[in-house]
Amino acid sequence: QVQMVESGGGVVQPGRSLRVSCVGSGFTFSSYGMHWVRQTPGKGLEWVAIISYDGNNKNYADSVRDRFTISRDNSNNALYLQVKSLRLEDTAVYYCVKDKGHYNYYMDVWGRGTAVIVSS
Amino acid sequence: SYELTQPLSVSVALGQTARITCGGDKIGAYNVHWIQQKPGQAPVVVIYRDINRPSGVPERFSGSNSENTATLTISSAQAGDEADYFCQLWDGSTYVFGSGTKVTVL
Repeated sequence: QVQMVESGGGVVQPGRSLRVSCVGSGFTFSSYGMHWVRQTPGKGLEWVAIISYDGNNKNYADSVRDRFTISRDNSNNALYLQVKSLRLEDTAVYYCVKDKGHYNYYMDVWGRGTAVIVSS
Repeated sequence: SYELTQPLSVSVALGQTARITCGGDKIGAYNVHWIQQKPGQAPVVVIYRDINRPSGVPERFSGSNSENTATLTISSAQAGDEADYFCQLWDGSTYVFGSGTKVTVL
């Protein structure tokens, strides 16, 4: 079945960097756009970024545009989110989400998430 | 930025109908999706593009969208339908989520 498995979360100090990863299976990874969405108790669900099936198109939420970078490696069915200069408010569960189409159709299948805790 | 308004909670008796609303300015002009989230599990899309049900989602889940309100309806609610439900749409520049509604089956 279609599945996304995230990894790379943990406890990180403010100002540090972190990369979270996601591996997709059960579908042709290279044919679909992919998203990152995060969830915090206070702000609920927040879309973070999207990347097209071929990696040529990307878009970000205004709140993360300057510090987050989304990328993918289709040869390894992998999606990444690089986060620089982590802030306390970046504490969240980060979900990898498959798009129904090549790019910006709708969010279709979600992973279980990886927790990032920013704390000194 | 576009805002979506959901009730904090909805309670429904076992076997009865629950309706979860999602309010937004002219939301009927957008494609609305509904996401179910149970504790410790991956969120699941139960309705996409207003009225469509993904394969594997029970027929008791249905959606509608008109004017300023989109609605997720759970007919003959089961104990397993207890969850948080979020509405979501693309407003032309970003993806927007509602704040979520906790559904309790009594």
